[in-house]
Formats: sequence, C-alpha cells, structure tokens
Amino acid sequence: AQTVTQSQPEMSVQEAETVTLSCTYDTSESDYYLFWYKQPPSRQMILVIRQEAYKQQNATENRFSVNFQKAAKSFSLKISDSQLGDAAMYFCAYRRIQGAQKLVFGQGTRLTINP
Amino acid sequence: NAGVTQTPKFQVLKTGQSMTLQCAQDMNHEYMSWYRQDPGMGLRLIHYSVGAGITDQGEVPNGYNVSRSTTEDFPLRLLSAAPSQTSVYFCASSYSGQGYGVRYTFGSGTRLTVV
Repeated sequence: AQTVTQSQPEMSVQEAETVTLSCTYDTSESDYYLFWYKQPPSRQMILVIRQEAYKQQNATENRFSVNFQKAAKSFSLKISDSQLGDAAMYFCAYRRIQGAQKLVFGQGTRLTINP
Repeated sequence: NAGVTQTPKFQVLKTGQSMTLQCAQDMNHEYMSWYRQDPGMGLRLIHYSVGAGITDQGEVPNGYNVSRSTTEDFPLRLLSAAPSQTSVYFCASSYSGQGYGVRYTFGSGTRLTVV
C-alpha cells in the first residue's frame, strides 16, 4: 500500500523568508500524481500545487514550487516570500494514475508565519 | 455555486445514536469519497464511489455505511456513534480527464463530536 510521510509536524518562518516543507512517499508505481494542499483555519482544502510523476520538470505556482525527486521518492514544497496568509496546515497527498482515484494523505505540517 | 455541499457543518451526538452526513455535488463527477481528519493523522479514506450504484471501502470503513443512488449524492451513515468517531469529516469529488489532469473538490467539512 502507498504511504505518505510528513516528518515535520510544525514549522515556522519569518514573514518574507523562504520555507521548505518535506514529504516522502512509498509506492511501487511508476506513474502517479502528487499534491500539496493547504488547509487554513476555515477548514477548506485548497490545492496548492500538483505534480505528475512522468514530468521531470518541477511544478511551480507563483511563490510555491516543488522539488520532486522521483528516485528518492521525495516531494518537498518551497514557499518563497512567505506571507501571513500562508499560515495553515499543509498536506502532501499521493494518487495512482490508474485505478480508483483514492488520495493518500500525509500527516500534515502546521506552518506558522511570524511577522 | 458549483461545488461540493456538505451538511451539517457541526453535530454533537450521544454514544449509540445514528446519523447521516449529507454530501452533494453538481459537477457531474463520477468519483466521490469520504475522509475523516484526526490530529496527527492527516485525512484517511473511509469509503469511496466510482459511480452511481458502486461503492467500496477505504482505509477506515468500520462503523460507517454509504450508498450512491445518484451521481450527485453520496451520504455517509454512522450506524451507532462511538467517541472514537469524533472527527472532522470531508466529502470530496473528482474528475479526471484529458487536458484537465486530476481535480478534486472538497466540501467544507463536518465537525462531529460524540459524547
């Protein structure tokens, strides 16, 4: 079974600085999707970024980028120029390409932004 | 507004009571799923459905029942509530298609407390 591990329960960063959240996963599949979701205090699950495993280029969305290391099964999220609105729980998630569209989530990392 | 509608947003139950969490989507997504979110454990899959009339168990199905009579609705039933079912519950629907990649839409969550 696939598993996703986020080893940092909590992280904090100064406003305007850069922070990296770690995620590792275990799978025997060669093609899959990886996601980062943001969950602010409102509880809403918000997609931050998505990576297809067959794409070697790391995905980016404005201030958010990933470092996807397929051989190491690592998928870290970098947030540049951190803003107060980035404070939230962040979840890493995995999904196979084929078969049922089940998302497997990591345990989450709570990110605090210090003004 | 298009999306996933979950009701209720909050609920308190007594041990042994039953209830149904409602989930409806208006995006004609085939895939729907229920997750529970517990501190330090991320989101775990309870049940999922790949279309009307088809359901299957996820990672933590015990104590829950689902049905999918229409594409739009995917209710989650708690048969006899237990304190261990105190959690936040999320419903999600998804579409996977050419040119669209994979997109998940989450409901706003239900905070359930069993006393």
